[in-house]
Amino acid sequence: KNQVEQSPQSLIILEGKNCTLQCNYTVSPFSNLRWYKQDTGRGPVSLTIMTFSENTKSNGRYTATLDADTKQSSLHITASQLSDSASYICVVSGLSGGSYIPTFGRGTSLIVHP
Amino acid sequence: NAGVTQTPKFRVLKTGQSMTLLCAQDMNHEYMYWYRQDPGMGLRLIHYSVGEGTTAKGEVPDGYNVSRLKKQNFLLGLESAAPSQTSVYFCASRKDGTGYYGYTFGSGTRLTVV
Repeated sequence: KNQVEQSPQSLIILEGKNCTLQCNYTVSPFSNLRWYKQDTGRGPVSLTIMTFSENTKSNGRYTATLDADTKQSSLHITASQLSDSASYICVVSGLSGGSYIPTFGRGTSLIVHP
Repeated sequence: NAGVTQTPKFRVLKTGQSMTLLCAQDMNHEYMYWYRQDPGMGLRLIHYSVGEGTTAKGEVPDGYNVSRLKKQNFLLGLESAAPSQTSVYFCASRKDGTGYYGYTFGSGTRLTVV
């Protein structure tokens, strides 16, 4: 069964600090991996997409990495801001029965304190 | 460009009542989805559609029905609401099923069944 595990479940940091969120998956065959940001009371919004051949991708202060061999991804947030407080969801798409099926992680809740 | 619009945003139902959640997208996307999000559970797929006139069951379809009579609309119905259906419901759309295109999510409907 395809699974996506995220850690930590929740994280509290001070404004200006860096942090790293982890995503481990067992989805096979692998198609791509996305990180979404979900603000409280809103729907998730895509931050990055990574395919098998990519191992680093940046979007402003967000940098995602992918190790397809160990089936791990991380999302690094640099110089955190209060607006980074949100849930971050890792979604891995795999091929199943001819269709690309996404598997969602449960998310990491990040709180940035001033 | 409105993206994905969900109505209503909030609703309280009594056990046994019925209701329909409406999702509309203006991006000409083929695929549409209904998810529910519960604390600690992440997003779980209820039903989805790969095109106008088609629907399919997801991970947790029991107690829900859907219809996609028009490409831009995807309706989620609860025939006899139960307290276990208290949740936040998200509609999402995707250009196609190749896996490369990410989801565009609506802002959610918070449903409470008492």
